[in-house]
Amino acid sequence: DIQMTQSPSSLSAFVGDRVSITCRASQSIGNSLNWYQQNPGTAPKLLIYGASNLQSGVPSRFSGSGSGTDFTLTISSLQPDDFATYYCQQSYDASWTFGQGTEVEIK
Amino acid sequence: QLQLQESGPGLVKPSETLSLTCDVSGASISTTSYSWAWIRQPPGKGLEWIGCIFYSGTTFYRSPLKSRVTISMDTSKNQFSLRLTSVTAADTAIYYCAKTGSGEPLWIWSRGTMVTVSS
Repeated sequence: DIQMTQSPSSLSAFVGDRVSITCRASQSIGNSLNWYQQNPGTAPKLLIYGASNLQSGVPSRFSGSGSGTDFTLTISSLQPDDFATYYCQQSYDASWTFGQGTEVEIK
Repeated sequence: QLQLQESGPGLVKPSETLSLTCDVSGASISTTSYSWAWIRQPPGKGLEWIGCIFYSGTTFYRSPLKSRVTISMDTSKNQFSLRLTSVTAADTAIYYCAKTGSGEPLWIWSRGTMVTVSS
């Protein structure tokens, strides 16, 4: 199975900060990389698909980049609603896998 | 608007079979190009893909669970199901169902249902 490694596992930031989360695949997955946001007690929500496509209704402060094995989720100006856990997921092969998650906390 | 809702027991005894159903509204589960997935999340931990079933009935499962899991669909009821046999405490988790497609993301998720394995 393709392994997905996210970093950092957690970070603290202020409202208004620019933050980036990286995700590395154990082999090339093209652009078959998706990002999800999960708030406590709720289901994950799709943010970015195909590495860089913003899901409908998601604020434009979220962006994704990368291809092959290295990917980045960037939040340009952190808002109070953005304090959550973020997961990457590869949809390249038939056995999809998630990263371990990155918890974004308020500093 | 497509919505998914799981149903099933919240408590299962060790060594027994966990069975969950996901009711789909707002779309036909047999629509060409659609597929349907199960994902779980142990308490305080990350997300784990269990498997999926395509509109054609083809299934794919996560390797470590392959011998214990079956995903099926009932087009007459517009629902799909998960069966996980010989459960242990390690199978305790929130279980989600989701709409997806081949090579696609998990577009829409259910709210999730907590299943505890305990005697």
